[in-house]
Amino acid sequence: GAVVSQHPSRVICKSGTSVKIECRSLDFQATTMFWYRQFPKQSLMLMATSNEGSKATYEQGVEKDKFLINHASLTLSTLTVTSAHPEDSSFYICSARVGLAYSYEQYFGPGTRLTVT
Amino acid sequence: QKEVEQNSGPLSVPEGAIASLNCTYSDRGSQSFFWYRQYSGKSPELIMFIYSNGDKEDGRFTAQLNKASQYVSLLIRDSQPSDSATYLCAVNSPPRPGGGADGLTFGKGTHLIIQP
Repeated sequence: GAVVSQHPSRVICKSGTSVKIECRSLDFQATTMFWYRQFPKQSLMLMATSNEGSKATYEQGVEKDKFLINHASLTLSTLTVTSAHPEDSSFYICSARVGLAYSYEQYFGPGTRLTVT
Repeated sequence: QKEVEQNSGPLSVPEGAIASLNCTYSDRGSQSFFWYRQYSGKSPELIMFIYSNGDKEDGRFTAQLNKASQYVSLLIRDSQPSDSATYLCAVNSPPRPGGGADGLTFGKGTHLIIQP
Protein backbone atom coordinates (compact mmCIF):
# COMPACT_ATOMS: atom_id res chain seq x y z
CA GLY A 1 0.00 0.00 0.00
CA ALA A 2 0.85 3.67 -0.18
CA VAL A 3 3.13 5.20 2.45
CA VAL A 4 2.21 8.20 4.54
CA SER A 5 4.67 9.74 6.99
CA GLN A 6 4.12 12.10 9.89
CA HIS A 7 6.51 14.25 11.82
CA PRO A 8 7.07 14.52 14.71
CA SER A 9 5.93 11.19 16.13
CA ARG A 10 5.78 12.58 19.63
CA VAL A 11 5.81 16.12 20.99
CA ILE A 12 5.50 17.66 24.41
CA CYS A 13 4.79 21.37 24.63
CA LYS A 14 3.82 23.93 27.20
CA SER A 15 0.34 25.34 27.43
CA GLY A 16 -0.11 28.38 25.20
CA THR A 17 2.47 27.41 22.62
CA SER A 18 1.81 26.26 19.05
CA VAL A 19 2.75 22.94 17.52
CA LYS A 20 3.06 22.05 13.84
CA ILE A 21 2.56 18.51 12.59
CA GLU A 22 3.57 17.51 9.07
CA CYS A 23 1.95 14.82 6.96
CA ARG A 24 3.57 13.62 3.75
CA SER A 25 2.56 11.11 1.10
CA LEU A 26 5.86 9.50 0.14
CA ASP A 27 5.17 7.53 -3.01
CA PHE A 28 2.04 9.11 -4.43
CA GLN A 29 0.33 12.44 -4.85
CA ALA A 30 -2.64 13.03 -2.61
CA THR A 31 -5.15 15.64 -3.64
CA THR A 32 -7.03 15.02 -0.44
CA MET A 33 -5.66 14.47 3.04
CA PHE A 34 -7.55 14.09 6.29
CA TRP A 35 -6.77 14.91 9.88
CA TYR A 36 -8.13 12.78 12.70
CA ARG A 37 -7.86 12.89 16.45
CA GLN A 38 -8.09 9.90 18.75
CA PHE A 39 -8.45 10.02 22.53
CA PRO A 40 -7.57 6.95 24.62
CA LYS A 41 -9.94 4.04 24.06
CA GLN A 42 -12.00 6.12 21.62
CA SER A 43 -12.42 5.82 17.91
CA LEU A 44 -10.95 8.17 15.36
CA MET A 45 -12.75 11.45 15.01
CA LEU A 46 -12.43 13.30 11.73
CA MET A 47 -11.32 16.89 12.28
CA ALA A 48 -10.96 18.22 8.77
CA THR A 49 -10.42 17.50 5.13
CA SER A 50 -7.43 19.13 3.51
CA ASN A 51 -7.49 19.80 -0.22
CA GLU A 52 -4.41 20.90 -2.11
CA GLY A 53 -4.64 24.53 -3.07
CA SER A 54 -7.87 25.29 -1.23
CA LYS A 55 -9.14 25.88 2.26
CA ALA A 56 -9.68 22.95 4.55
CA THR A 57 -13.18 21.77 5.39
CA TYR A 58 -13.74 21.32 9.10
CA GLU A 59 -16.11 19.06 10.98
CA GLN A 60 -18.70 20.62 13.25
CA GLY A 61 -17.22 21.57 16.58
CA VAL A 62 -13.64 21.82 15.34
CA GLU A 63 -12.27 25.36 15.65
CA LYS A 64 -10.62 26.29 12.38
CA ASP A 65 -8.73 29.17 13.99
CA LYS A 66 -7.24 26.82 16.54
CA PHE A 67 -6.39 23.97 14.21
CA LEU A 68 -4.78 25.55 11.17
CA ILE A 69 -4.43 23.32 8.15
CA ASN A 70 -2.29 24.04 5.13
CA HIS A 71 -2.10 21.74 2.11
CA ALA A 72 0.84 23.34 0.39
CA SER A 73 1.50 20.67 -2.22
CA LEU A 74 0.19 17.35 -3.47
CA THR A 75 2.45 15.56 -0.99
CA LEU A 76 2.35 17.76 2.11
CA SER A 77 -0.31 18.86 4.56
CA THR A 78 0.38 20.50 7.90
CA LEU A 79 -1.74 20.85 11.02
CA THR A 80 -0.84 23.59 13.48
CA VAL A 81 -2.38 23.46 16.92
CA THR A 82 -2.33 27.07 18.07
CA SER A 83 -2.28 28.13 21.72
CA ALA A 84 -2.37 24.52 22.82
CA HIS A 85 -4.02 23.55 26.09
CA PRO A 86 -3.88 20.31 28.08
CA GLU A 87 -7.25 19.24 26.68
CA ASP A 88 -5.67 19.24 23.21
CA SER A 89 -3.44 16.38 24.28
CA SER A 90 -4.31 13.53 21.96
CA PHE A 91 -3.13 11.24 19.18
CA TYR A 92 -3.32 13.14 15.88
CA ILE A 93 -3.33 11.04 12.75
CA CYS A 94 -3.34 12.15 9.14
CA SER A 95 -4.41 10.08 6.19
CA ALA A 96 -4.24 10.42 2.45
CA ARG A 97 -6.59 9.28 -0.25
CA VAL A 98 -5.53 7.45 -3.39
CA GLY A 99 -7.98 7.06 -6.22
CA LEU A 100 -11.29 8.51 -7.30
CA ALA A 101 -14.36 9.42 -5.28
CA TYR A 102 -15.94 6.24 -3.86
CA SER A 103 -13.37 4.01 -5.54
CA TYR A 104 -10.39 4.84 -3.43
CA GLU A 105 -8.12 3.66 -0.68
CA GLN A 106 -7.22 5.71 2.34
CA TYR A 107 -3.93 5.22 4.15
CA PHE A 108 -2.89 6.53 7.55
CA GLY A 109 0.31 8.05 8.78
CA PRO A 110 1.89 6.68 11.97
CA GLY A 111 0.37 9.42 14.12
CA THR A 112 1.68 12.16 16.38
CA ARG A 113 1.18 11.94 20.10
CA LEU A 114 0.79 15.45 21.50
CA THR A 115 1.10 16.14 25.20
CA VAL A 116 0.43 19.65 26.45
CA THR A 117 1.67 20.39 29.94
CA GLN B 1 -26.10 11.72 11.66
CA LYS B 2 -23.85 9.09 10.18
CA GLU B 3 -23.36 6.11 12.49
CA VAL B 4 -21.22 3.04 12.29
CA GLU B 5 -21.81 0.39 14.91
CA GLN B 6 -19.51 -2.38 16.04
CA ASN B 7 -19.51 -4.73 19.00
CA SER B 8 -16.65 -3.51 21.18
CA GLY B 9 -15.79 -7.02 22.39
CA PRO B 10 -13.44 -8.36 23.40
CA LEU B 11 -13.98 -11.16 20.92
CA SER B 12 -11.90 -14.16 21.88
CA VAL B 13 -11.09 -16.76 19.20
CA PRO B 14 -8.78 -19.77 19.45
CA GLU B 15 -5.74 -19.84 17.20
CA GLY B 16 -6.47 -21.41 13.83
CA ALA B 17 -10.21 -20.70 13.97
CA ILE B 18 -12.20 -18.19 11.93
CA ALA B 19 -12.73 -14.77 13.49
CA SER B 20 -15.90 -12.99 12.38
CA LEU B 21 -16.22 -9.23 12.85
CA ASN B 22 -19.42 -7.37 12.14
CA CYS B 23 -20.39 -3.80 11.41
CA THR B 24 -23.64 -1.99 10.63
CA TYR B 25 -24.06 1.51 9.26
CA SER B 26 -26.92 3.95 9.18
CA ASP B 27 -26.46 5.93 5.96
CA ARG B 28 -28.03 4.12 3.00
CA GLY B 29 -26.11 6.38 0.67
CA SER B 30 -22.81 4.90 1.81
CA GLN B 31 -20.64 3.84 -1.08
CA SER B 32 -17.30 2.63 0.25
CA PHE B 33 -16.45 0.38 3.14
CA PHE B 34 -13.13 -0.25 4.80
CA TRP B 35 -11.64 -2.47 7.47
CA TYR B 36 -8.63 -1.24 9.40
CA ARG B 37 -6.52 -2.99 12.01
CA GLN B 38 -5.13 -0.90 14.86
CA TYR B 39 -2.60 -2.11 17.37
CA SER B 40 -2.46 -0.33 20.71
CA GLY B 41 -0.69 3.01 20.44
CA LYS B 42 -0.38 2.75 16.66
CA SER B 43 -2.30 4.26 13.77
CA PRO B 44 -4.78 2.22 11.71
CA GLU B 45 -3.58 -0.05 8.94
CA LEU B 46 -5.81 -0.69 5.93
CA ILE B 47 -6.70 -4.37 5.54
CA MET B 48 -9.58 -4.47 3.09
CA PHE B 49 -11.91 -2.24 1.15
CA ILE B 50 -15.12 -3.21 -0.59
CA TYR B 51 -17.55 -1.29 -2.75
CA SER B 52 -19.91 -3.89 -4.20
CA ASN B 53 -22.33 -6.34 -2.64
CA GLY B 54 -20.93 -9.79 -2.06
CA ASP B 55 -17.61 -11.17 -0.91
CA LYS B 56 -14.08 -9.99 -1.52
CA GLU B 57 -11.16 -12.19 -0.57
CA ASP B 58 -7.54 -11.25 0.05
CA GLY B 59 -5.37 -13.94 1.57
CA ARG B 60 -6.79 -14.94 4.94
CA PHE B 61 -9.22 -12.03 4.93
CA THR B 62 -12.70 -11.91 3.41
CA ALA B 63 -14.89 -8.82 3.47
CA GLN B 64 -18.62 -9.25 2.98
CA LEU B 65 -21.01 -6.45 2.08
CA ASN B 66 -24.81 -6.44 2.11
CA LYS B 67 -26.09 -2.97 1.26
CA ALA B 68 -29.75 -3.97 1.63
CA SER B 69 -29.10 -4.92 5.25
CA GLN B 70 -26.53 -2.14 5.73
CA TYR B 71 -24.09 -4.69 7.00
CA VAL B 72 -20.43 -5.32 6.37
CA SER B 73 -18.28 -8.02 7.92
CA LEU B 74 -14.70 -9.22 8.01
CA LEU B 75 -13.69 -12.86 8.28
CA ILE B 76 -10.19 -13.84 9.29
CA ARG B 77 -9.34 -17.46 8.52
CA ASP B 78 -6.62 -19.42 10.31
CA SER B 79 -6.42 -16.77 13.03
CA GLN B 80 -2.96 -16.05 14.41
CA PRO B 81 -1.95 -14.43 17.71
CA SER B 82 -0.54 -11.54 15.65
CA ASP B 83 -4.11 -10.84 14.48
CA SER B 84 -4.95 -9.72 18.01
CA ALA B 85 -5.81 -6.03 17.66
CA THR B 86 -8.72 -3.63 17.41
CA TYR B 87 -10.51 -3.80 14.08
CA LEU B 88 -12.14 -0.62 12.86
CA CYS B 89 -14.95 -0.53 10.37
CA ALA B 90 -15.08 2.69 8.33
CA VAL B 91 -17.71 3.95 5.94
CA ASN B 92 -17.68 6.76 3.43
CA SER B 93 -20.89 8.49 2.53
CA PRO B 94 -21.59 11.26 0.06
CA PRO B 95 -21.10 14.67 1.65
CA ARG B 96 -24.37 16.43 2.35
CA PRO B 97 -25.11 20.01 1.28
CA GLY B 98 -23.80 22.31 3.95
CA GLY B 99 -22.29 19.33 5.69
CA GLY B 100 -18.84 18.87 7.04
CA ALA B 101 -15.70 17.32 5.69
CA ASP B 102 -15.76 14.41 3.30
CA GLY B 103 -14.01 11.66 5.18
CA LEU B 104 -14.57 8.27 6.68
CA THR B 105 -16.86 7.66 9.62
CA PHE B 106 -15.37 5.08 11.95
CA GLY B 107 -16.96 2.63 14.30
CA LYS B 108 -15.49 2.35 17.78
CA GLY B 109 -13.80 -0.89 16.87
CA THR B 110 -13.90 -4.51 17.97
CA HIS B 111 -11.10 -5.75 20.19
CA LEU B 112 -10.06 -9.18 18.91
CA ILE B 113 -8.01 -11.60 20.98
CA ILE B 114 -6.56 -14.73 19.39
CA GLN B 115 -5.81 -17.30 22.05
CA PRO B 116 -2.71 -19.46 21.39
